[in-house]
Amino acid sequence: GESVGLHLPTLSVQEGDNSIINCAYSNSASDYFIWYKQESGKGPQFIIDIRSNMDKRQGQRVTVLLNKTVKHLSLQIAATQPGDSAVYFCAESPGSGNTGKLIFGQGTTLQVKP
Amino acid sequence: EPEVTQTPSHQVTQMGQEVILRCVPISNHLYFYWYRQILGQKVEFLVSFYNNEISEKSEIFDDQFSVERPDGSNFTLKIRSTKLEDSAMYFCASRGNSGRVGIFGQGTRLTVV
Repeated sequence: GESVGLHLPTLSVQEGDNSIINCAYSNSASDYFIWYKQESGKGPQFIIDIRSNMDKRQGQRVTVLLNKTVKHLSLQIAATQPGDSAVYFCAESPGSGNTGKLIFGQGTTLQVKP
Repeated sequence: EPEVTQTPSHQVTQMGQEVILRCVPISNHLYFYWYRQILGQKVEFLVSFYNNEISEKSEIFDDQFSVERPDGSNFTLKIRSTKLEDSAMYFCASRGNSGRVGIFGQGTRLTVV
């Protein structure tokens, strides 16, 4: 069945280092991908998105890379800060039907050490 | 910045009771969603709603669940007879017609005892 999964459940980085969070997806029909950040007790917060016709997109301190050949998505956070500590989810949106539902991965906990 | 508002933030209910979770989506959004997240697990899609009807639902969304947009601002999720396994965070989300980004509310923590 369709699924979106993450390679590592927990990532621990030093403050100031760069973080890379990975995600694998299995639905070839997905044409839109989003990274969400979830802090404890809160709802998912949009970070960055990318369409399947792109392979890279940059935000303020974040970059998303999409490799459709191997169905892999990654989120890079530059100069990681303590405020980046959270659970990060990738989500895919299947293109067919376009109801806009999102299929989430398992989540990676990012821990930033001061 | 516009936000999705959910009430209550925490609901405790007896097994077998009915609960209604409430959401106020962003005012000019047209697509509405409910998701749930069991503690420590991923966010799971429940249902999508557009033009006053369900557009898609997951296997989780069985006959015990229903959604309604009773007026121009509220979007509700009803669970008719709650089970222990319904305990989870329930998130409402909405999105506009031109975008594909779902904006999530802060969630309602449902505890069934």
